[in-house]
Amino acid sequence: LAKTTQPISMDSYEGQEVNITCSHNNIATNDYITWYQQFPSQGPRFIIQGYKTKVTNEVASLFIPADRKSSTLSLPRVSLSDTAVYYCLVGGYNQGGKLIFGQGTELSVKP
Amino acid sequence: DAGVIQSPRHEVTEMGQEVTLRCKPISGHDYLFWYRQTMMRGLELLIYFNNNVPIDDSGMPEDRFSAKMPNASFSTLKIQPSEPRDSAVYFCASSSQLAEAYEQYFGPGTRLTVT
Repeated sequence: LAKTTQPISMDSYEGQEVNITCSHNNIATNDYITWYQQFPSQGPRFIIQGYKTKVTNEVASLFIPADRKSSTLSLPRVSLSDTAVYYCLVGGYNQGGKLIFGQGTELSVKP
Repeated sequence: DAGVIQSPRHEVTEMGQEVTLRCKPISGHDYLFWYRQTMMRGLELLIYFNNNVPIDDSGMPEDRFSAKMPNASFSTLKIQPSEPRDSAVYFCASSSQLAEAYEQYFGPGTRLTVT
């Protein structure tokens, strides 16, 4: 499974757009890129998943360049409730369901 | 659906005692995962099952840990004997290979404290 690298922490203010970039230089052809969010005392929660280009849902956008060696999670107009740890994961459907969580990015949103 | 259900939510036990953690996956899901989370080591995958069969247990720390899935709606993670270093939050998650997005649904976790 490809190793991922992302910033340990980030600070932001309410109403700002937050972009968290993850590098995954060894991504395999059949790997998907998935982001999870974890609040304190809760289990991680799926945010978004993509393979290439751009994916958008009601929560976030995911930008993936053509070489797929990195990805950027974009959170528009964050609020205090977006304070959480964000994990970038790389894996594929044929991996048998196995995902390896890295250390994640601790996002702190301030008023 | 109620989501992934774990019990107990909190467990405090003494070193040397047996601990059993329980998980009920989302109905219809064919994958089940057990994770452990600590401040030092982060979120670690311990073992996962596909259609009730263990597929990869390489993350299980040692022989004191064992996991079973006797049917599609129930799994247990057992620690015997427990040690203080086993103190952590244990999460169970489930997923379906038929889902449009490859998404794991996590339970609320069991906070284990071994004294």
